[in-house]
This record gives sequence, C-alpha cells and structure tokens, in this order.
Amino acid sequence: QTVVTQEPSFSVSPGGTATLTCGLSSGSVSTSHYPSWYQQTPGQAPRTLIYSTNTRSSGVPDRFSGSILGNKAALTITGAQADDESDYYCVLYTARGIWMFGGGTKLTVL
Amino acid sequence: QLQLQESGPGLVKPSETLSLTCTVSGGSINNSSYYWGWIRQPPGKGLEWIGSIYYSGTTYYNPSLKSRVTISVDTSKNQFSLKLSSVTAADTAAYYCARKPRIAVTGTTYFDLWGRGALVTVSS
Repeated sequence: QTVVTQEPSFSVSPGGTATLTCGLSSGSVSTSHYPSWYQQTPGQAPRTLIYSTNTRSSGVPDRFSGSILGNKAALTITGAQADDESDYYCVLYTARGIWMFGGGTKLTVL
Repeated sequence: QLQLQESGPGLVKPSETLSLTCTVSGGSINNSSYYWGWIRQPPGKGLEWIGSIYYSGTTYYNPSLKSRVTISVDTSKNQFSLKLSSVTAADTAAYYCARKPRIAVTGTTYFDLWGRGALVTVSS
C-alpha cells in the first residue's frame, strides 16, 4: 500500500527558509496528484495554503509557495515567522477519487 | 458565505455506529462543481480522509475504512452524513466535513472549505 511521506519535524530560524516535502513510498509525485498543503494549529481546523501544486489560497502570504522538487511536492516558507510554527499536511489525489494525507510535519521556528 | 457545520453525539459506545451530519449553509449542496467529504484526526495524530460524496449520491471511500463507512446526502435538508459502524477506541477523533471542487468542472481539486470539527469519543 502506497504511503504519503512527510518529514515528522523541521526546524527553521526566524527569517530563514523552510522547505517541507511530500513524497510517495512508491513512485513520484506529479502535478496530476494535485498536491495541496494545509496548516493546522492545535485545536483548530486545517487552513488551506496551497492547491494544485503551486496556487496560493486566498489570503495566504506570498512567503508560502509550492512546487515539485525532484519526485516530491514541496512547500517552501521564505522568511519564516514565529506564527508559522504549526503542523503542515500535504494531501495527494489518486486514481478513482481516493485521497491520501501525509503524516504531517511539525514546524518549529527558533 | 458558505459554511459547514458538523453535528452529532460526542460519545459513542464500542461496537456501536457513529453518526455525524454536516449542514451546509449559505449555499446549496446541489452544486455540480463540488464533492463533499469527511476527514478525521485522532488526538495528537494526523489527518485521514474517510470518504466523499457528490450531490447525486456517487461516493468514494478510503479503502481502509470502506467496509464500515457509509456517506449519504440529503439535498432537501442541504446536509450530508457519515455513518461508521463497529467503532472502537481507535475511532476516537475530531471529525471534519469539507468541500472539494470537481476537477472536471473547475480544473482543480483540493479541500477548499472546512467545518470546525466535531470531537467524537468512543468509550463505554
């Protein structure tokens, strides 16, 4: 069974750049998976950041960007701020209408 | 502005059936541009897609939950519902309903609107 992989944790310094990735245990991520990214803080519903690989959702600052890097989807946060400290989830769309979430990355800004 | 709101019992006994409803307000569920879905998150863990439904009744389920899940839609009430049978403590989670655009209509798909979530605890 294919699994979506994410870094369990990632640390970045304030003002630094963090690149979080979203891969497949078998195969490569492509734009056909319509990769999307969500930010979640404790006790809150997820917030949509990026969809269709690299399109920012309404109101999302342009320091958040999405791309395909090699065989993975990537979320890059440029100029990280303290309030970017959250959990980040990617999700991939697969054949026959099935969706797969990654396990999430806990981002620490320090 | 369209909003989603989950409702249902917060406590379910083991082996029983978990039932939740998502009410869509500020817009119609009878919209050919969208699917409607359920996602859950056990305490301290990640998100898991449960399944999705179209207003016509077409459904897609997570293969790992398919044998226990039923998602239905009631267009007259602007609601869609989740039933999860034979629950155990492992089904304790926050359950979210969400909307996602249809690729065929919008050219994209993702979860663009979320409810606030409903915590369901499975315990005797």
